[in-house]
Amino acid sequence: AQSVTQLDSQVPVFEEAPVELRCNYSSSVSVYLFWYVQYPNQGLQLLLKYLSGSTLVKGINGFEAEFNKSQTSFHLRKPSVHISDTAEYFCAVSVPTGGGNKLTFGTGTQLKVEL
Amino acid sequence: EPEVTQTPSHQVTQMGQEVILRCVPISNHLYFYWYRQILGQKVEFLVSFYNNEISEKSEIFDDQFSVERPDGSNFTLKIRSTKLEDSAMYFCASRLPSTDTQYFGPGTRLTVL
Repeated sequence: AQSVTQLDSQVPVFEEAPVELRCNYSSSVSVYLFWYVQYPNQGLQLLLKYLSGSTLVKGINGFEAEFNKSQTSFHLRKPSVHISDTAEYFCAVSVPTGGGNKLTFGTGTQLKVEL
Repeated sequence: EPEVTQTPSHQVTQMGQEVILRCVPISNHLYFYWYRQILGQKVEFLVSFYNNEISEKSEIFDDQFSVERPDGSNFTLKIRSTKLEDSAMYFCASRLPSTDTQYFGPGTRLTVL
């Protein structure tokens, strides 16, 4: 079975500062990795994904993440945040079985951007 | 841009009542999913559905739950006899067979009184 750990439940940061949201996963097989964002009262929107290839993945809204297999991590970064980035961020994994490919989510990190 | 839609956005029901949550997946997607998020907790997988049958389900998805694709566009989740602990946000998702990216709907907030 797979699991995802997001150690930081809340991350406060000032506008225009850099931010890193941490994600570690556990799996005995290769996984696909995802970051989703949930704005208040909205559904989950895909930010970026890692399936294979380059370990540095760029997503929407200026976010990027780096897959590190040895550390089983997939941390999300943004060099300069904006007030509009305030949201809940979820890291998720799926196992590429060719079947259902369910997503297993972490507990989420609330990013709060302050002026 | 096509998107997954869900109705209703909020459903309030009495314990023991049946509820049906509705989803319209993106039109050419063939894999469908239901997830739920209890307030303050993580998003949890409930069930995946492909080719008119369940492909995988979690231990949460017991006999009180069922899914159906009654026509070419809707995908429904039925809870036969709701319990207080079924109160949660329920998300529908869909994807193409050729990718692993799931697209989520805005969710239905279910409140069981």
